[in-house]
Amino acid sequence: AQTVTQSQPEMSVQEAETVTLSCTYDTSENNYYLFWYKQPPSRQMILVIRQEAYKQQNATENRFSVNFQKAAKSFSLKISDSQLGDTAMYFCAFQNSGGYQKVTFGTGTKLQVIP
Amino acid sequence: EAGVTQSPTHLIKTRGQQATLRCSPISGHTSVYWYQQALGLGLQFLLWYDEGEERNRGNFPPRFSGRQFPNYSSELNVNALELEDSALYLCASSLGTVYINYGYTFGSGTRLTVV
Repeated sequence: AQTVTQSQPEMSVQEAETVTLSCTYDTSENNYYLFWYKQPPSRQMILVIRQEAYKQQNATENRFSVNFQKAAKSFSLKISDSQLGDTAMYFCAFQNSGGYQKVTFGTGTKLQVIP
Repeated sequence: EAGVTQSPTHLIKTRGQQATLRCSPISGHTSVYWYQQALGLGLQFLLWYDEGEERNRGNFPPRFSGRQFPNYSSELNVNALELEDSALYLCASSLGTVYINYGYTFGSGTRLTVV
């Protein structure tokens, strides 16, 4: 079974600074997808960034970027120029490619951006 | 365009009762996913429906069941409620096909409290 591990239950960062959230996963497959989701307090969970394992280039979305290390099975999220609105729970998620493979989520990292 | 809608927002039930949760996916999305988010446990995969069929199921007892209707909306039923069923139940839909996951769009969730 696939597992996703987020070893940082809570983190904080000063506004405008950069923070990196860690995620590791376990799989024996070669093709899969990785995701970071953001869940603000009492608000909807939204997709932040998506990475396809067969693409070596790291995905970026504005201030959000990932460091995808396939051999190490590591998928960290870097948030640059942190803003107060980045305060949220961040979940790393994994899915094998192929038919009807479920998405497995990590336990989340609670990020607090400090003004 | 309407997002993923879930109802009710909150639900309070007594132990042993049944709960019914509803979800309408984004127009054009045929897959609906159900997750349980209990405190400190991250998101646990419950069920995946696509084209009216159950495609995958998480490690939950049979008293967790559901269905998908011809309009792709979905219903999650929890029978013989137990106190530990208290959680936020999230529904998501996806534009992706079975073989490509572009990421989920989540609803706001139903907060189920069992007393």
